[in-house]
Amino acid sequence: TQLLEQSPQFLSIQEGENLTVYCNSSSVFSSLQWYRQEPGEGPVLLVTVVTGGEVKKLKRLTFQFGDARKDSSLHITAAQPGDTGLYLCAGGDYGGSQGNLIFGKGTKLSVKP
Amino acid sequence: NAGVTQTPKFQVLKTGQSMTLQCAQDMNHNSMYWYRQDPGMGLRLIYYSASEGTTDKGEVPNGYNVSRLNKREFSLRLESAAPSQTSVYFCASSSNQRRGNTIYFGEGSWLTVV
Repeated sequence: TQLLEQSPQFLSIQEGENLTVYCNSSSVFSSLQWYRQEPGEGPVLLVTVVTGGEVKKLKRLTFQFGDARKDSSLHITAAQPGDTGLYLCAGGDYGGSQGNLIFGKGTKLSVKP
Repeated sequence: NAGVTQTPKFQVLKTGQSMTLQCAQDMNHNSMYWYRQDPGMGLRLIYYSASEGTTDKGEVPNGYNVSRLNKREFSLRLESAAPSQTSVYFCASSSNQRRGNTIYFGEGSWLTVV
């Protein structure tokens, strides 16, 4: 059974601080996606990475896919209260079927003004 | 744009009652999904439909049935609700099942079984 472990589970920081969230597995994934979910809403895709070692930037967010495609990280620079939410990573299996997308349990981020 | 619309938003059921969660997407997507989200468990796939006319079990299908009514609509039915089915349910869709394809989620349906 493929599992994605996210850490930390909870994170509370002050506005302006930097943070990194991790998504780790013992399995190889063909793709890795990051979603953000706000209270009362469904998850919204932030980024997809498919190549080992790939780095993508979305404004103050930097996403990296591990060289072996078993792990990923999300780094936020100068966090803002608007970054508050649940961050989920999701891995696609090697066969590529979206039906087998595996979600981590999420990191709940709170950014205080 | 509506995207993925699911109803009802909130529902309270008594144990043993049945109900159907409705979902519709207006993005002409081929694939649709039903997930449940529980505290500390993350999102778990219940059933999915890769294309109109097909459905497949996900990680936690027991106690549920689905119907892909047409390309737009994918319903989830609880035949005899149990307290263990208290959860937040999300319908989602994607254009296809290729890796890395974007999944679009609805806003969720909060179901409580007492």
